[in-house]
Amino acid sequence: DQQVKQNSPSLSVQEGRISILNCDYTNSMFDYFLWYKKYPAEGPTFLISISSIKDKNEDGRFTVFLNKSAKHLSLHIVPSQPGDSAVYFCAAGGSEKLVFGKGTKLTVNP
Amino acid sequence: ETGVTQTPRHLVMGMTNKKSLKCEQHLGHNAMYWYKQSAKKPLELMFVYNFKEQTENNSVPSRFSPECPNSSHLFLHLHTLQPEDSALYLCASSQARAYPHGYTFGSGTRLTVV
Repeated sequence: DQQVKQNSPSLSVQEGRISILNCDYTNSMFDYFLWYKKYPAEGPTFLISISSIKDKNEDGRFTVFLNKSAKHLSLHIVPSQPGDSAVYFCAAGGSEKLVFGKGTKLTVNP
Repeated sequence: ETGVTQTPRHLVMGMTNKKSLKCEQHLGHNAMYWYKQSAKKPLELMFVYNFKEQTENNSVPSRFSPECPNSSHLFLHLHTLQPEDSALYLCASSQARAYPHGYTFGSGTRLTVV
């Protein structure tokens, strides 16, 4: 049973526009969430995190929104750049190990 | 060096070979992890170590044998692998509670079994 779901395997946006990546979770015991970015043949790199007591966290072009009642979080990238093209993983954490989604491949077209 | 370092970056081995993957972290983290990522598949957690003790084995075949001699080093010993074991093997480390910075991943070892 997948506790963390990224239902869109891929997303394509134009350079300069907003990219919105979505993630849903089922376990209400998760108390923090993270987003990672991964290029091919490299390890994932941490982007941004959010505690369950917050509904928004911003870091430069990256903003994560959390809707606890809907068990949904999203990553907004504004403006999108070609270098943002990668696979994005959301992850959820609580008292045990992180649970990762399957990833969404973002392509930013020049 | 800082971060999580994995060696080798690339490895080609025959099905009868024995090889080892190495992971080293200089972040003062207490937990270390092995993940497998096959082509077009999600990250698969293989093993978890906390304070050098294995706390999770995610039904991994015995041809993969982890070793954690201390909190800074993690090995994955490989023997009699199959071609389907070809994948990117990722090591990660973290504090006991992975918030706010999550896991720190190494660059991975690209393994090809021939």
